[in-house]
Amino acid sequence: AQTVTQSQPEMSVQEAETVTLSCTYDTSESDYYLFWYKQPPSRQMILVIRQEAYKQQNATENRFSVNFQKAAKSFSLKISDSQLGDAAMYFCASTLTSGTYKYIFGTGTRLKVLA
Amino acid sequence: GAGVSQTPSNKVTEKGKYVELRCDPISGHTALYWYRQSLGQGPEFLIYFQGTGAADDSGLPNDRFFAVRPEGSVSTLKIQRTERGDSAVYLCATGSKGGEQFFGPGTRLTVL
Repeated sequence: AQTVTQSQPEMSVQEAETVTLSCTYDTSESDYYLFWYKQPPSRQMILVIRQEAYKQQNATENRFSVNFQKAAKSFSLKISDSQLGDAAMYFCASTLTSGTYKYIFGTGTRLKVLA
Repeated sequence: GAGVSQTPSNKVTEKGKYVELRCDPISGHTALYWYRQSLGQGPEFLIYFQGTGAADDSGLPNDRFFAVRPEGSVSTLKIQRTERGDSAVYLCATGSKGGEQFFGPGTRLTVL
């Protein structure tokens, strides 16, 4: 069975600084996808970044990048130049590349950005 | 284009009542998922439709929960004899099979 663990219930970062959110996962499969989603108070889940497990290169989207360590089953999110609009809940999720493609989510990390 | 929409946005009901939650997918999306997000938790999978059929309903907590998608587009999640423990945000997500899932804004269900 797949599991996703986020061990940081809450993190704070000063505006313009860098913060890293941690995520570990477990799966017996070799091919899967990993995601980071942002959920502001509006409840809308917004895709931040996606990583395919077969790709060794870490995904990057503007100020967001990941550190994907497949052997360690670790998938952390780095946010550079943090902005007030980055404040939200962040969820790590995984899905297999076959079957139902249902997402397995972690419990989330609340990110606060301090002005 | 329009995203995934869910109605109602909020629903307050009394214990023991029946509720229906609606999801309107992005046009053309064949895959549709329902998730439940309890307070302080991440979303948990409930059911997956590919077209009209429920391809995986392993996440439904018990037989009070049921979902349909009769024409392969709009889906309705139905909860009978609601309990206080059913209070949560119910999220719908749609996509192409194997592709990215796009989430709706959710329905917040409160059972008094």
